[in-house]
Amino acid sequence: DAKTTQPNSMESNEEEPVHLPCNHSTISGTDYIHWYRQLPSQGPEYVIHGLTSNVNNRMASLAIAEDRKSSTLILHRATLRDAAVYYCILRAINAGGTSYGKLTFGQGTILTVHP
Amino acid sequence: DAGVTQSPTHLIKTRGQHVTLRCSPISGHKSVSWYQQVLGQGPQFIFQYYEKEERGRGNFPDRFSARQFPNYSSELNVNALLLGDSALYLCASSPGWGVSTDTQYFGPGTRLTVL
Repeated sequence: DAKTTQPNSMESNEEEPVHLPCNHSTISGTDYIHWYRQLPSQGPEYVIHGLTSNVNNRMASLAIAEDRKSSTLILHRATLRDAAVYYCILRAINAGGTSYGKLTFGQGTILTVHP
Repeated sequence: DAGVTQSPTHLIKTRGQHVTLRCSPISGHKSVSWYQQVLGQGPQFIFQYYEKEERGRGNFPDRFSARQFPNYSSELNVNALLLGDSALYLCASSPGWGVSTDTQYFGPGTRLTVL
């Protein structure tokens, strides 16, 4: 599995934008970039995913570098509810076989949001 | 709509015992995956089942086994419990298999403590 690197922790103030970086220098052309987050005492939840183009949804935006070796999850206005561990995960388009269902989580980034 | 449900919420066992954890996927989802999350780390993939067949297995000993029932619910069994098996066990469901952009929906987990 291609590896991702994220900062251990980041801090933000409420209602300010947050940019969470992820490096994936060994990404292959067939890897999607997925982001999940895990709120305290809950299971992970899907945030967003993309392949080459930037993506937006109601939760966040995903900015993907032109060479795809890095990406940034953008929370436009952080709220206290956004305090969580954020995981950047690569998933192959055609994983097939025994790799399909597997999400490979790293350590993630612990986001602290201050009131 | 009900999300992924897991039972029990918490469980305390002693070394050498056996444990069975249960998961009910979101209605209409045919795939179930199991993850182990040790405190302070990201979830680690254990198994994936689709249409009652094992489709993926992580790097866990044979003491770990699972099965999926005709109604798509699933059980994770762990034999001969060790102290190191203490963790949050997460179940995730997804609609199908073979589509790497499928979102995985996680349950709240079962907290297992082995004494």
